[in-house]
Amino acid sequence: DAGVIQSPRHEVTEMGQEVTLRCKPISGHDYLFWYRQTMMRGLELLIYFNNNVPIDDSGMPEDRFSAKMPNASFSTLKIQPSEPRDSAVYFCASSLAGWLSNTGELFFGEGSRLTVL
Amino acid sequence: ILNVEQSPQSLHVQEGDSTNFTCSFPSSNFYALHWYRWETAKSPEALFVMTLNGDEKKKGRISATLNTKEGYSYLYIKGSQPEDSATYLCAPYTGNQFYFGTGTSLTVIP
Repeated sequence: DAGVIQSPRHEVTEMGQEVTLRCKPISGHDYLFWYRQTMMRGLELLIYFNNNVPIDDSGMPEDRFSAKMPNASFSTLKIQPSEPRDSAVYFCASSLAGWLSNTGELFFGEGSRLTVL
Repeated sequence: ILNVEQSPQSLHVQEGDSTNFTCSFPSSNFYALHWYRWETAKSPEALFVMTLNGDEKKKGRISATLNTKEGYSYLYIKGSQPEDSATYLCAPYTGNQFYFGTGTSLTVIP
């Protein structure tokens, strides 16, 4: 398996622009997580899905952030409009949890580094 | 939200020294405790998953212990090497969500 695939790896945009980050989880994994890494807070959970259904989005900073998972092999995180304080590395991770595995360890993508000018 | 604390925040050791760091978490609603190793410019990778009180896991020079009753886990590195330099994250798992600590940043000086 290729692992969790994220795109783009780097994105530089101007304040006010829409940003879309993409994630392809490991095939067969039933959980997908979006994290944001900042210097102040470390790895911050934004939202996670179970079987394509959003379970907890309480970590999404505000209405400018939205996430979707239209099918088991694809998820997007959208920021509209973007602001300089959104600059961070955004990680997608997938997991096989619950009764299928007693580990539930996370497999992370390589991250998308976003810079909003 | 789970309050996960890791200490120390950062650590510099000489090559060959042994070291250890701590992860503290609330002992209720506990399912498993994960340790991840995160090298600069890479993504976190799972080191250990522990579920039972008294669990001990070992991978090469790195080992970890778990105390679920008092809510802590220790990570030990024996004979640190420069390639051990990374941030070590712990994450209690509640059965459907992970709560990451802010990590211990380890630098091993050759």
